[in-house]
Amino acid sequence: EAGVAQSPRYKIIEKRQSVAFWCNPISGHATLYWYQQILGQGPKLLIQFQNNGVVDDSQLPKDRFSAERLKGVDSTLKIQPAKLEDSAVYLCASSLGLAGGFNEQFFGPGTRLTVL
Amino acid sequence: AQKVTQAQTEISVVEKEDVTLDCVYETRDTTYYLFWYKQPPSGELVFLIRRNSFDEQNEISGRYSWNFQKSTSSFNFTITASQVVDSAVYFCALNRDDKIIFGKGTRLHILP
Repeated sequence: EAGVAQSPRYKIIEKRQSVAFWCNPISGHATLYWYQQILGQGPKLLIQFQNNGVVDDSQLPKDRFSAERLKGVDSTLKIQPAKLEDSAVYLCASSLGLAGGFNEQFFGPGTRLTVL
Repeated sequence: AQKVTQAQTEISVVEKEDVTLDCVYETRDTTYYLFWYKQPPSGELVFLIRRNSFDEQNEISGRYSWNFQKSTSSFNFTITASQVVDSAVYFCALNRDDKIIFGKGTRLHILP
């Protein structure tokens, strides 16, 4: 079974530029998550989708970050414009998203963003 | 509030020594899950173990063992006879309602 795919793996941009990350979850997984992991810290949830609807985006800096999951499969996370403090690893995860039980999250390899 | 604390920022031990990574959590929920993940230099998060709040039995898997104590809200992780390949950042995490809250991680260096 293929895992969670993310691209690109690495990205270097200058501040105020825009950047987009792509995630392809495990087939059949209804729930998709984007996490931000700043160096020296644990991953922090940015946004959670259930199919193509947003479940939780309370920690997403909406003035510059946006995410979508059209058709309830792939997702893109965009930053516009980027700031120096956005330098981090962006992790995508997915789970079956079944109601009433535990849903294990499977993580992708991450995209390492460096903002200069 | 949900919180996971890993007080040890960085630990260095010599190969073959045993090492314990501490994890303390806070939650008001009665049903929750606890995890340990390993993050090697490649950056991927590797799932190690999941424990639900109703199962306080300790678990051993090869050189790894976990001690879950609800009375002290701790879920500690011990590596026995450490190896250089164990060098990584280890995260303790708490799951509730399909959301994972991670600790800040402990960076473990195993010296040859």
